[in-house]
Amino acid sequence: QVQLVESGGGVVQPGRSLRLSCAASGFTFSSYGMHWVRQAPGKGLEWVAVIWFDGSEIFYADSVKGRFTISRDDSKDTLYLQMNSLRAEDTAVYYCARMGAGTTWAYFDYWGQGALVTVSS
Amino acid sequence: EIVLTQSPATLSLSPGERATLSCRASQSVYSYLAWYQQKPGQAPRLLIYGASNRAPGIPARFSGSGSGTDFTLTISSLEPEDFAVYYCQQRRDWPPWTFGQGTKVEIK
Repeated sequence: QVQLVESGGGVVQPGRSLRLSCAASGFTFSSYGMHWVRQAPGKGLEWVAVIWFDGSEIFYADSVKGRFTISRDDSKDTLYLQMNSLRAEDTAVYYCARMGAGTTWAYFDYWGQGALVTVSS
Repeated sequence: EIVLTQSPATLSLSPGERATLSCRASQSVYSYLAWYQQKPGQAPRLLIYGASNRAPGIPARFSGSGSGTDFTLTISSLEPEDFAVYYCQQRRDWPPWTFGQGTKVEIK
Protein backbone atom coordinates (compact mmCIF):
# COMPACT_ATOMS: atom_id res chain seq x y z
CA GLN A 1 0.00 0.00 0.00
CA VAL A 2 1.09 3.56 -0.65
CA GLN A 3 2.87 5.14 2.32
CA LEU A 4 4.34 8.59 2.72
CA VAL A 5 6.19 9.35 5.95
CA GLU A 6 7.43 12.85 6.71
CA SER A 7 10.25 13.63 9.11
CA GLY A 8 12.47 16.54 10.10
CA GLY A 9 9.94 18.84 11.69
CA GLY A 10 10.59 20.72 14.91
CA VAL A 11 11.02 24.10 16.55
CA VAL A 12 13.34 26.57 14.81
CA GLN A 13 14.16 30.23 15.34
CA PRO A 14 13.15 32.85 12.78
CA GLY A 15 15.74 33.21 10.04
CA ARG A 16 17.09 29.69 10.49
CA SER A 17 16.80 26.65 8.21
CA LEU A 18 15.17 23.23 8.35
CA ARG A 19 14.94 20.31 5.94
CA LEU A 20 11.91 18.04 5.73
CA SER A 21 12.02 14.56 4.25
CA CYS A 22 9.24 12.36 2.94
CA ALA A 23 9.97 8.65 2.57
CA ALA A 24 7.77 6.92 0.01
CA SER A 25 6.93 3.24 -0.30
CA GLY A 26 4.34 0.99 -1.91
CA PHE A 27 4.60 2.55 -5.38
CA THR A 28 7.18 3.41 -8.04
CA PHE A 29 8.32 6.75 -6.65
CA SER A 30 10.22 7.77 -9.77
CA SER A 31 7.00 7.66 -11.82
CA TYR A 32 5.09 10.28 -9.83
CA GLY A 33 5.17 13.99 -9.27
CA MET A 34 5.21 15.03 -5.64
CA HIS A 35 3.89 18.05 -3.76
CA TRP A 36 4.32 19.75 -0.41
CA VAL A 37 1.15 21.22 1.12
CA ARG A 38 1.01 22.99 4.47
CA GLN A 39 -1.64 23.81 7.04
CA ALA A 40 -1.18 26.53 9.64
CA PRO A 41 -2.73 25.78 13.05
CA GLY A 42 -6.52 25.91 12.78
CA LYS A 43 -6.36 27.01 9.15
CA GLY A 44 -6.96 25.57 5.70
CA LEU A 45 -4.68 23.90 3.19
CA GLU A 46 -2.03 25.85 1.28
CA TRP A 47 -0.08 24.37 -1.62
CA VAL A 48 3.68 24.99 -1.25
CA ALA A 49 5.66 23.32 -4.04
CA VAL A 50 5.65 20.57 -6.66
CA ILE A 51 8.32 18.59 -8.49
CA TRP A 52 7.56 16.61 -11.62
CA PHE A 53 8.24 12.86 -11.70
CA ASP A 54 11.48 13.42 -13.62
CA GLY A 55 12.40 16.69 -11.93
CA SER A 56 11.92 18.56 -15.19
CA GLU A 57 9.41 21.01 -13.73
CA ILE A 58 9.39 22.65 -10.32
CA PHE A 59 6.93 25.28 -9.11
CA TYR A 60 6.58 27.19 -5.85
CA ALA A 61 3.93 29.24 -4.12
CA ASP A 62 4.77 32.94 -4.12
CA SER A 63 4.87 32.86 -0.32
CA VAL A 64 7.93 30.56 -0.30
CA LYS A 65 9.63 31.33 -3.62
CA GLY A 66 13.30 32.09 -3.16
CA ARG A 67 13.36 30.60 0.36
CA PHE A 68 12.23 26.98 -0.07
CA THR A 69 13.68 24.32 -2.38
CA ILE A 70 11.94 21.08 -3.31
CA SER A 71 14.03 18.14 -4.49
CA ARG A 72 13.89 14.38 -4.80
CA ASP A 73 16.26 11.42 -4.62
CA ASP A 74 14.74 8.56 -6.57
CA SER A 75 17.50 6.19 -5.44
CA LYS A 76 16.19 6.65 -1.90
CA ASP A 77 12.49 7.07 -2.77
CA THR A 78 12.58 10.31 -0.83
CA LEU A 79 11.22 13.82 -1.33
CA TYR A 80 12.78 16.84 0.38
CA LEU A 81 11.87 20.38 1.28
CA GLN A 82 14.74 22.66 2.22
CA MET A 83 13.35 25.66 4.10
CA ASN A 84 15.59 28.69 4.58
CA SER A 85 14.99 32.12 6.12
CA LEU A 86 12.06 30.77 8.07
CA ARG A 87 9.39 33.14 9.32
CA ALA A 88 6.73 32.86 12.00
CA GLU A 89 4.10 32.59 9.27
CA ASP A 90 5.75 29.40 8.02
CA THR A 91 4.56 27.65 11.18
CA ALA A 92 2.38 24.77 9.97
CA VAL A 93 1.98 21.06 9.51
CA TYR A 94 3.73 20.18 6.27
CA TYR A 95 2.30 17.30 4.25
CA CYS A 96 3.89 15.56 1.32
CA ALA A 97 1.33 14.40 -1.20
CA ARG A 98 1.53 12.34 -4.35
CA MET A 99 0.37 13.86 -7.61
CA GLY A 100 -2.10 11.45 -9.14
CA ALA A 101 -1.57 9.94 -12.56
CA GLY A 102 -3.98 9.27 -15.40
CA THR A 103 -7.50 10.41 -14.53
CA THR A 104 -6.34 11.73 -11.16
CA TRP A 105 -3.44 13.72 -12.65
CA ALA A 106 -2.74 16.95 -10.77
CA TYR A 107 -4.94 15.96 -7.85
CA PHE A 108 -3.43 14.88 -4.54
CA ASP A 109 -4.23 11.18 -4.33
CA TYR A 110 -2.17 10.12 -1.29
CA TRP A 111 -0.94 12.15 1.67
CA GLY A 112 1.57 11.63 4.44
CA GLN A 113 0.67 12.13 8.09
CA GLY A 114 2.42 15.50 8.25
CA ALA A 115 5.38 17.09 10.04
CA LEU A 116 4.93 20.07 12.36
CA VAL A 117 7.25 23.01 11.86
CA THR A 118 7.14 25.73 14.50
CA VAL A 119 9.06 28.94 13.87
CA SER A 120 9.50 30.79 17.14
CA SER A 121 12.17 32.58 19.13
CA GLU B 1 -5.06 32.67 -9.46
CA ILE B 2 -8.36 30.83 -9.21
CA VAL B 3 -10.13 31.45 -5.90
CA LEU B 4 -12.45 28.77 -4.52
CA THR B 5 -15.17 29.83 -2.07
CA GLN B 6 -16.90 27.17 0.00
CA SER B 7 -20.22 27.50 1.76
CA PRO B 8 -21.41 27.24 4.38
CA ALA B 9 -18.43 27.53 6.71
CA THR B 10 -20.11 25.15 9.14
CA LEU B 11 -22.94 22.69 8.63
CA SER B 12 -24.67 21.31 11.74
CA LEU B 13 -26.51 18.08 11.02
CA SER B 14 -27.54 14.84 12.68
CA PRO B 15 -26.46 11.32 11.67
CA GLY B 16 -28.68 10.04 8.88
CA GLU B 17 -29.32 13.49 7.44
CA ARG B 18 -28.27 14.64 3.99
CA ALA B 19 -25.34 17.06 3.71
CA THR B 20 -24.95 19.47 0.79
CA LEU B 21 -21.67 21.39 0.51
CA SER B 22 -20.96 24.07 -2.09
CA CYS B 23 -17.77 25.22 -3.83
CA ARG B 24 -17.74 28.19 -6.19
CA ALA B 25 -14.78 29.08 -8.42
CA SER B 26 -13.79 32.62 -9.41
CA GLN B 27 -13.58 31.46 -13.03
CA SER B 28 -14.46 28.29 -14.86
CA VAL B 29 -12.49 25.23 -13.84
CA TYR B 30 -14.48 23.01 -16.23
CA SER B 31 -14.72 19.71 -14.34
CA TYR B 32 -11.23 19.89 -12.89
CA LEU B 33 -12.30 19.89 -9.27
CA ALA B 34 -11.67 17.55 -6.36
CA TRP B 35 -13.03 17.15 -2.85
CA TYR B 36 -11.04 16.06 0.20
CA GLN B 37 -12.07 15.01 3.69
CA GLN B 38 -9.94 15.83 6.72
CA LYS B 39 -10.62 14.50 10.20
CA PRO B 40 -8.99 16.07 13.28
CA GLY B 41 -5.32 15.19 13.56
CA GLN B 42 -5.32 13.38 10.23
CA ALA B 43 -4.15 14.11 6.71
CA PRO B 44 -6.68 14.98 4.01
CA ARG B 45 -8.09 12.13 1.94
CA LEU B 46 -9.16 12.34 -1.70
CA LEU B 47 -12.91 11.69 -2.01
CA ILE B 48 -13.95 12.96 -5.44
CA TYR B 49 -11.97 13.96 -8.52
CA GLY B 50 -13.05 15.30 -11.89
CA ALA B 51 -16.06 16.83 -10.10
CA SER B 52 -18.01 13.58 -9.92
CA ASN B 53 -15.70 10.55 -9.79
CA ARG B 54 -15.31 8.76 -6.48
CA ALA B 55 -11.76 7.83 -5.53
CA PRO B 56 -11.07 4.14 -4.83
CA GLY B 57 -12.61 2.93 -1.59
CA ILE B 58 -14.90 5.91 -1.13
CA PRO B 59 -18.46 4.91 -0.13
CA ALA B 60 -21.31 5.51 -2.56
CA ARG B 61 -23.03 7.90 -0.14
CA PHE B 62 -20.50 10.52 -1.29
CA SER B 63 -21.28 12.12 -4.63
CA GLY B 64 -20.05 15.16 -6.49
CA SER B 65 -21.67 17.26 -9.17
CA GLY B 66 -21.26 20.48 -11.09
CA SER B 67 -19.07 22.04 -13.74
CA GLY B 68 -17.78 25.46 -14.68
CA THR B 69 -17.91 27.55 -11.52
CA ASP B 70 -20.44 25.81 -9.25
CA PHE B 71 -19.90 22.46 -7.58
CA THR B 72 -21.62 20.40 -4.92
CA LEU B 73 -20.53 17.58 -2.63
CA THR B 74 -23.45 15.56 -1.30
CA ILE B 75 -23.36 13.04 1.51
CA SER B 76 -26.65 11.20 1.17
CA SER B 77 -26.95 9.96 4.75
CA LEU B 78 -24.37 11.05 7.31
CA GLU B 79 -22.50 8.35 9.17
CA PRO B 80 -20.73 9.17 12.47
CA GLU B 81 -17.35 8.97 10.73
CA ASP B 82 -18.35 11.61 8.15
CA PHE B 83 -18.20 14.51 10.59
CA ALA B 84 -15.07 16.29 9.41
CA VAL B 85 -13.82 19.24 7.37
CA TYR B 86 -14.20 19.10 3.59
CA TYR B 87 -12.07 21.02 1.08
CA CYS B 88 -12.45 21.56 -2.65
CA GLN B 89 -9.40 21.96 -4.91
CA GLN B 90 -8.94 22.90 -8.56
CA ARG B 91 -6.42 21.73 -11.13
CA ARG B 92 -7.69 23.84 -14.04
CA ASP B 93 -5.04 26.54 -13.72
CA TRP B 94 -1.73 26.07 -11.97
CA PRO B 95 0.48 27.05 -10.38
CA PRO B 96 -0.71 27.61 -7.80
CA TRP B 97 -2.93 24.67 -6.97
CA THR B 98 -5.68 26.22 -4.87
CA PHE B 99 -8.05 24.98 -2.20
CA GLY B 100 -11.28 26.33 -0.78
CA GLN B 101 -11.24 27.46 2.83
CA GLY B 102 -13.16 24.39 3.98
CA THR B 103 -16.59 23.44 5.29
CA LYS B 104 -16.87 21.83 8.70
CA VAL B 105 -19.65 19.26 9.05
CA GLU B 106 -20.43 19.00 12.76
CA ILE B 107 -22.86 16.97 14.81
CA LYS B 108 -25.99 18.87 15.69
